[in-house]
Amino acid sequence: EVQLVESGGGLVKPGGSLRLSCAASGFTFGSYIVNWVRQAPGKGLEWVSSISSTSAYIYYADSVKGRFTISRDNAKNSLFLQMNSLRAEDSALYFCVTGNTFDNWGLGTLVTVSS
Amino acid sequence: DIQMTQSPSSLSASVGDRVTITCRASQDISNYVAWFQQRPGEAPKALIYSASRLQRGVPSKFSGSGSGTDFTLTISSLQPEDFATYYCQQHFVYPRTFGQGTKVEIK
Repeated sequence: EVQLVESGGGLVKPGGSLRLSCAASGFTFGSYIVNWVRQAPGKGLEWVSSISSTSAYIYYADSVKGRFTISRDNAKNSLFLQMNSLRAEDSALYFCVTGNTFDNWGLGTLVTVSS
Repeated sequence: DIQMTQSPSSLSASVGDRVTITCRASQDISNYVAWFQQRPGEAPKALIYSASRLQRGVPSKFSGSGSGTDFTLTISSLQPEDFATYYCQQHFVYPRTFGQGTKVEIK
């Protein structure tokens, strides 16, 4: 069974940083594209970033480009999102999602950016 | 960026009803559309990819169709567990984009 467990969320001041992690199990992590998707409270889904299986291809939403960095460690079945220069509008539940067609979703980790 | 526009934004339906949700892309995306269900307080769940292919374990009451710019998600007989918000998404190009969601409520 595919399991994705996000961690690393919390309360941070504007301009601060956080590093999100996603621990994957139940599938061959290193063979799949993985993604981050976020959802602000009461709002819809917003794609944030994607990384190919070997990290050769990386994509970001314009809203986070230059501030967020996606990475992965296939040996540890883990996905990361380094978030710098955080803004209030980055406050959201961040989901780790597998595959090019967003097949499996974690439960999310909550990021709150507030002074 | 490709815009995905869903309609309606919300609808009320009764148990047993057949429900159709529409998603329109701002440009031709072939059949690269996925659909997701999100129940309140839960993570989204993948239902369909490539416009009409059911994800593993998804019941056949869900079906998808369309190509080019116009797509539909149909639920053949609405059950209590189907009351949720549904999102379309294009997986044709980056940036990946979602529709704004359609909330299906109980009449």
